[in-house]
Amino acid sequence: GAVVSQHPSWVICKSGTSVKIECRSLDFQATTMFWYRQFPKQSLMLMATSNEGSKATYEQGVEKDKFLINHASLTLSTLTVTSAHPEDSSFYICSAPPRQGRETQYFGPGTRLLVL
Amino acid sequence: SQKIEQNSEALNIQEGKTATLTCNYTNYSPAYLQWYRQDPGRGPVFLLLIRENEKEKRKERLKVTFDTTLKQSLFHITASQPADSATYLCAPSDNYGQNFVFGPGTRLSVLP
Repeated sequence: GAVVSQHPSWVICKSGTSVKIECRSLDFQATTMFWYRQFPKQSLMLMATSNEGSKATYEQGVEKDKFLINHASLTLSTLTVTSAHPEDSSFYICSAPPRQGRETQYFGPGTRLLVL
Repeated sequence: SQKIEQNSEALNIQEGKTATLTCNYTNYSPAYLQWYRQDPGRGPVFLLLIRENEKEKRKERLKVTFDTTLKQSLFHITASQPADSATYLCAPSDNYGQNFVFGPGTRLSVLP
């Protein structure tokens, strides 16, 4: 099946620094990728939809200037958490549909971010 | 606004029994509904997809039903095993994966 990877798997940073998370589709091309955030014992919340070659679409309440998304190629999308604060500590997961029109999404393993 | 509910936050059952998880949705008419499994600290893994014109879908020990009148999907695991212990998420969606929203999940524990 389709494989999506994320890097890093976990990161600890100081408050005020920026953190970049990479999401890669390993064996397929993804014109669209999705970024989710999951707090402990809660479900996944969609943050934004990343579109290759164009601007990302952010969900209501998600600050686009704080969560920068770049989808520069058909296999890579990045999420940068700028000026991270402790409340940004969470589990960030990306996903991608294997091909256009395919309903199922394939998820990356997630990145755990801890901001001190 | 759309609302998705899963029957309980946690469900404990004995090994060998059938686990039944419920997903209810309101203010929504999904074209299909998916079920995912999520283990702690991992991303969700796709299990089954059922379309609005399908009543039932099976895959090995898994069975999903979809009742668009009741606005409900049931997810069954027969002959449950401790390895089935995980959080199960339902995700209704409209066509082509648009408006893809996850339910809060049910944490299933299968006791040996």
